[in-house]
Amino acid sequence: DSGVTQTPKHLITATGQRVTLRCSPRSGDLSVYWYQQSLDQGLQFLIQYYNGEERAKGNILERFSAQQFPDLHSELNLSSLELGDSALYFCASSVGPFSGANVLTFGAGSRLTVL
Amino acid sequence: DAKTTQPPSMDCAEGRAANLPCNHSTISGNEYVYWYRQIHSQGPQYIIHGLKNNETNEMASLIITEDRKSSTLILPHATLRDTAVYYCIVRVKKTSYDKVIFGPGTSLSVIP
Repeated sequence: DSGVTQTPKHLITATGQRVTLRCSPRSGDLSVYWYQQSLDQGLQFLIQYYNGEERAKGNILERFSAQQFPDLHSELNLSSLELGDSALYFCASSVGPFSGANVLTFGAGSRLTVL
Repeated sequence: DAKTTQPPSMDCAEGRAANLPCNHSTISGNEYVYWYRQIHSQGPQYIIHGLKNNETNEMASLIITEDRKSSTLILPHATLRDTAVYYCIVRVKKTSYDKVIFGPGTSLSVIP
């Protein structure tokens, strides 16, 4: 157990629907990162939050949004889902910026299947 | 952050040492080298990191060349459970935030 908790583990939904993925960071970590990994593809950086504020943004689609709440958990909202959104979504956390001794700790991921 | 180059795939016999290279020829003096691995469909797992000196922990050893332009991750006695994609990442020590990008990594297959 890495200490980063992601729910749900698996989610099956239909095109056009909206889903919310949840991430609880490791105790003491203030920063949360979201990644998307499509089948046999690499890890694509989506977005990062620190203590409730957005700090870095990748190629996140406009249909996707995220936020980090005062209790530091984060949610990734995916709307108007398309077949191509089927992927593993990983959350990672760190104490501060990923550098020096501050390493990223990843959760087990949420597997989204869009039918 | 400096760019890294890794071979796309490698094989290693079970029980032998797996030596995974990473080239980071544009690394600067304040950039750390990190290694992560991802076992199929699991979340990436931190292995080790270093700045200048060689490092060892319970999982692996990290050998950084004197000029710091390349490094090698060594799994001393590879097992089938070490079959995974291994990512080498270079990050400058910073207090600000930016994207954390993972490259394609090296797919290591440990063969019985």
